[in-house]
Amino acid sequence: DSGVTQTPKHLITATGQRVTLRCSPRSGDLSVYWYQQSLDQGLQFLIHYYNGEERAKGNILERFSAQQFPDLHSELNLSSLELGDSALYFCASSATFYEQYFGPGTRLTVT
Amino acid sequence: AQSVTQLDSQVPVFEEAPVELRCNYSSSVSVYLFWYVQYPNQGLQLLLKYLSGSTLVKGINGFEAEFNKSQTSFHLRKPSVHISDTAEYFCAGEDTGRRALTFGSGTRLQVQP
Repeated sequence: DSGVTQTPKHLITATGQRVTLRCSPRSGDLSVYWYQQSLDQGLQFLIHYYNGEERAKGNILERFSAQQFPDLHSELNLSSLELGDSALYFCASSATFYEQYFGPGTRLTVT
Repeated sequence: AQSVTQLDSQVPVFEEAPVELRCNYSSSVSVYLFWYVQYPNQGLQLLLKYLSGSTLVKGINGFEAEFNKSQTSFHLRKPSVHISDTAEYFCAGEDTGRRALTFGSGTRLQVQP
């Protein structure tokens, strides 16, 4: 158990809909990272937040957004969903960049 | 941007045999390199990391990796594998200065009895 929790574990929704994925980092970790894992694209970095501020963006679509709240949990919002957005979404937290702890992931299925 | 290439998509090996999983990185980026393991239906777990210093890095579960600057490689090795090592292994590097990880495409290690 990494100490990082993600909810929900599974999510099934229809095209065009909007969903919110939640991540609670390990106690004391200020950084949260979001990653997408799909068969087509592999494992890709989406976005990094540090203590509530966005620090880096990766291959994150404009339809996607994230935020980190004062209690350090983070949410990834995915809107206007397409079939190709079906993937595993991981968050990771860290005290330093060099040691990221990954959550169990949220499996999103868009039908 | 960092580019990380894992040369083998699958590596079958018998139990107690040695194994090497290959990883190459692009030369134009920082050399903070990592190996992660993903067991079925789980998240990723850090096996080991290279930041600087000794080129031979030891990690958890008996794995080690060697950083080779001239060959821009960071291959993962284990002298004797167990059935429980069956998993997907990802090599990753830092996207220079962005504190973001770029992952290779993964290598599925299949340990057979």
